[in-house]
Amino acid sequence: EAQVTQNPRYLITVTGKKLTVTCSQNMNHEYMSWYRQDPGLGLRQIYYSMNVEVTDKGDVPEGYKVSRKEKRNFPLILESPSPNQTSLYFCASSDWGGRTDTQYFGPGTRLTVL
Amino acid sequence: SQQGEEDPQALSIQEGENATMNCSYKTSINNLQWYRQNSGRGLVHLILIRSNEREKHSGRLRVTLDTSKKSSSLLITASRAADTASYFCATVENSGYSTLTFGKGTMLLVSP
Repeated sequence: EAQVTQNPRYLITVTGKKLTVTCSQNMNHEYMSWYRQDPGLGLRQIYYSMNVEVTDKGDVPEGYKVSRKEKRNFPLILESPSPNQTSLYFCASSDWGGRTDTQYFGPGTRLTVL
Repeated sequence: SQQGEEDPQALSIQEGENATMNCSYKTSINNLQWYRQNSGRGLVHLILIRSNEREKHSGRLRVTLDTSKKSSSLLITASRAADTASYFCATVENSGYSTLTFGKGTMLLVSP
């Protein structure tokens, strides 16, 4: 089944404790992206990746890191989480230059930083 | 930066009625997409309309695009309680990349 998976789905942590949210897709997509969703603000892009070893900042990259060592994985790293990073996070993937540009979303990770 | 702006922010209708949501955007686009999100869940792609298309249908969904007005509308006909969700428009600009820029969404409530 074609899908994007994220782990964990729910996470409560404390300020400053490094964490990683994993994202994996099985569709051989080149493009992957991270978004955060906050009430009243919609979805905002954090980082995206055009292909392996190619990443770029989205609209709200501060406080986040990403890596793309393999095509299927695109982890989101919070080196020193802060309460303003409490949010619902989504990973997505799509074909690069594909016919549809449709993005496939993961189920989301609800992060709370105390 | 956010590009799509949906209107209305919230819509409440009865089952069987039609629901219309609008989206406005600011820049030149390659395509515009509509997504649906059930509460707290991931987004699901509904339909994509390219800049050279004016109207597209998929089941009970009808999407229009007016590039001169930089606006799109999503019509859901004969709505059902299961259509209750948030609906987002998202645009892909003419940069050749697949970066989506989302609006803030319209929350649709369909009452039985």
